[in-house]
Amino acid sequence: AQSVAQPEDQVNVAEGNPLTVKCTYSVSGNPYLFWYVQYPNRGLQFLLKYITGDNLVKGSYGFEAEFNKSQTSFHLKKPSALVSDSALYFCAVSSRSGGYNKLIFGAGTRLAVHP
Amino acid sequence: GAVVSQHPSRVICKSGTSVKIECRSLDFQATTMFWYRQFPKQSLMLMATSNEGSKATYEQGVEKDKFLINHASLTLSTLTVTSAHPEDSSFYICSAKRRGEFYGYTFGSGTRLTVV
Repeated sequence: AQSVAQPEDQVNVAEGNPLTVKCTYSVSGNPYLFWYVQYPNRGLQFLLKYITGDNLVKGSYGFEAEFNKSQTSFHLKKPSALVSDSALYFCAVSSRSGGYNKLIFGAGTRLAVHP
Repeated sequence: GAVVSQHPSRVICKSGTSVKIECRSLDFQATTMFWYRQFPKQSLMLMATSNEGSKATYEQGVEKDKFLINHASLTLSTLTVTSAHPEDSSFYICSAKRRGEFYGYTFGSGTRLTVV
């Protein structure tokens, strides 16, 4: 069965410092991996995805993520955090076993960036 | 870019009544739409997958008679919560996928349902 783990409920970081939001996954076959951000009472906004190719993926708002097959991880990173990055972040995966149709989400990580 | 419009954004209804939520893809044809439910401070739970012109496929544990899903056209899917109860209060989010794409999911802005 497919699953996604986001081990941290919350990540706190000072503005200007680098941030990392962790994600590990479990699927059979090759994964498609995604990061989404959610602001209060809003839907999800797409940040970036890994389908194939370069393991380092760059996305919106300066975020990037690195696909690590051996560690089955897809951590989200940003070199310098902004207060406006404070939001709820979701990692998601789809795979061939689900027909690449369904997205399975992690539990979410709340990012708090302090001035 | 792809836009999915979801209405209403907020709705309050009385127990026992039904509420319809619409999800429209504005600038693309959505052959598949997904409906999610999100409880406070929790992740998104997939409720059902709907393909245009066919019956929705519900996830285990989701009552199909309570959560009626209709995907009547390539741009519109609706979720009707029938005989709503306070425990149905939640945040409902739809997403749409383009024909032939394996990774193009666009999400609506969500609907906050409160049943009183």
